Amino acid sequence: QVQLQESGPGLVEPSQTLSLTCTVSGGSINSAGFFWSWIRQHPGKGLDWIGYIYYSGSTYYSPSLKSRLTISVDTTKNEFSLKLRSVTAADTAVYYCARSRGSSGIPIWFDLWGQGTLVTVSS
Amino acid sequence: DIVMTQSPDSLAVSLGERATINCKSSQSVLYSSDSKNYLAWYQQKPGQPPKLLIYWASTRESGVPDRFSGSGSGTDFSLTISSLQAEDVAVYYCQQYYTTPLTFGGGTKVEIK
Repeated sequence: QVQLQESGPGLVEPSQTLSLTCTVSGGSINSAGFFWSWIRQHPGKGLDWIGYIYYSGSTYYSPSLKSRLTISVDTTKNEFSLKLRSVTAADTAVYYCARSRGSSGIPIWFDLWGQGTLVTVSS
Repeated sequence: DIVMTQSPDSLAVSLGERATINCKSSQSVLYSSDSKNYLAWYQQKPGQPPKLLIYWASTRESGVPDRFSGSGSGTDFSLTISSLQAEDVAVYYCQQYYTTPLTFGGGTKVEIK
């Protein structure tokens, strides 16, 4: 079955760029109709949707992060990535990648999640 | 943005008793063209990612026990656990997918009394 796995540094210095990759196994990231999202969860808090990349390559970013965010896809490696620039301690969180189908051109519910990776922003 | 407000923040229920979690959206998530409510529910246990329980406000995901049920329409929704089991201890979140940005409720922690 399809699985998602996040990877990347667990510690990032303030003002640097947070880079994470989500590897899709057991299925193709190019499968029609799927949206691939990043979601984060601050320690002890709720869930915040960061944005998505569609299988076609189109993206949507949360307005609150749009100026610092890039989500990209590498279909040859069957993975998608997140880059968040100029990080601060407020970006410390568990970052999840997740899959969803779409309706009317936007993702709907998230039916598959990675295990999550904790990223701490600290010097 | 659509703001999702859950209540209560936490609740303690005896084993075998009913637990009800509420979720209110700041605007309707009922799409008139298909008469569907664009709302999902998730369960998150400590150290784990969220797990999808319910979508379209009341459709159970495959494999989810039938003690979990979702109801409501428009702006007011509920998740009910009809007979609480020990393995249901978790935080529960609602999520709207009516429009971007997708947004989640703040979560409700369910514990055993």
